[in-house]
Amino acid sequence: QSALTQPRSVSGSPGQSVTISCTGTSSDVGGYNYVSWYQQHPGKAPKLMIYDVTKRPSGVPDRFFGSKSGNTASLTISGLLPEDEADYYCFSQADGSVVFGGGTKLTVL
Amino acid sequence: QVQLQESGPGLVKPSETLSLTCGISGYAISSGPFWGWVRQPPGKGLEWMGSISHSGNSFYNPSLKSRVTISVDTSKNQFSLRLTSVTAADTAVYYCARDLGGGSHDFWGQGTLVTVSS
Repeated sequence: QSALTQPRSVSGSPGQSVTISCTGTSSDVGGYNYVSWYQQHPGKAPKLMIYDVTKRPSGVPDRFFGSKSGNTASLTISGLLPEDEADYYCFSQADGSVVFGGGTKLTVL
Repeated sequence: QVQLQESGPGLVKPSETLSLTCGISGYAISSGPFWGWVRQPPGKGLEWMGSISHSGNSFYNPSLKSRVTISVDTSKNQFSLRLTSVTAADTAVYYCARDLGGGSHDFWGQGTLVTVSS
């Protein structure tokens, strides 16, 4: 069982927006501004999409938006594209280590 | 461009020690900030294993802490993972990655599958 809770699956149609939540505690998500999000396509290495809650690495489209409220971080993807269909994982700094979510499968209908 | 490449045995016997190395090219390991390992059992999610700074300060997943060691070799521009007393549950794709801190890994190796089996 992962320390961070993510929905197992979300879905949306092309052009729509979806939000993936990542719920932790005050000892991880709520206590640090160090939440990252990864996109993983089948058979590929994960790709960093968001770090430090809201920052996008170079090359990541601004359709990907990270935020946090209390103990819950969120990844919002707007203007869904077929290539956004993938698994998404959240990671967070915790007291002395890093915790992670179980992953969310995004289906683009 | 930072490039990472995992290397090591693809098959390890139960109770033995899993050892992997991550070679870095295009970037000096001493520039850090951190270097880490993440694994993924077949069909399952990602699991952070631990990270190390270029100076050797290490942080580990508490669930693995007694079995895992990460070390740095600045002369070879590489870092390594050692996991002792492996079982079938340690069968996974093992990824090495640069860690910006706080669990943010921006450059990843392609991953290497390690199977624990007799």
